[in-house]
Amino acid sequence: DAGVTQSPTHLIKTRGQHVTLRCSPISGHKSVSWYQQVLGQGPQFIFQYYEKEERGRGNFPDRFSARQFPNYSSELNVNALLLGDSALYLCASSSEGSYNEQFFGPGTRLTVL
Amino acid sequence: RKEVEQDPGPFNVPEGATVAFNCTYSNSASQSFFWYRQDCRKEPKLLMSVYSSGNEDGRFTAQLNRASQYISLLIRDSKLSDSATYLCVATGFQKLVFGTGTRLLVSP
Repeated sequence: DAGVTQSPTHLIKTRGQHVTLRCSPISGHKSVSWYQQVLGQGPQFIFQYYEKEERGRGNFPDRFSARQFPNYSSELNVNALLLGDSALYLCASSSEGSYNEQFFGPGTRLTVL
Repeated sequence: RKEVEQDPGPFNVPEGATVAFNCTYSNSASQSFFWYRQDCRKEPKLLMSVYSSGNEDGRFTAQLNRASQYISLLIRDSKLSDSATYLCVATGFQKLVFGTGTRLLVSP
């Protein structure tokens, strides 16, 4: 069975641009969460979606937004990129609307120049 | 104070050693706890859930002390392949909260 997939794997952008990251959960999983991981830190929670509804939001500015589609795939959008947005963006899927046993995709490594 | 705190290490141990990682969490309402393993420049992978009664999976033993808000991971008979960063995780309000991770280096 395919695991969580994310695209693109790497991305280079300049300050002020916007970016869209994509995630497909494990088949049968209806919940998708997004995390940001900067070097030397653990992943930080950004959003959680379940059945296309936002269920949780972390302490990130409004430049960050997300949505979930009817097939449970998800997009994370970041506007007006800052140098500090450079990080590994991880998507995780789980089988319920709770937060148990999330399974991560390989991530998208975003570099903002 | 961070919601989940871990000693960042690194812990340098020889093959065959036993090593223990500790973690504390601040949210007494946390319901579920996990250990994830993360290899360099890779995604975190679920190692094991942590239950109040303690649980074991091969060479790995996890324990939870709710009164002290403390979680531990014990690795016995360390292998070179155990070298990685180990992330302690607690559930928060509508989210998973990760520690910064503890780096383990197992040498021959």
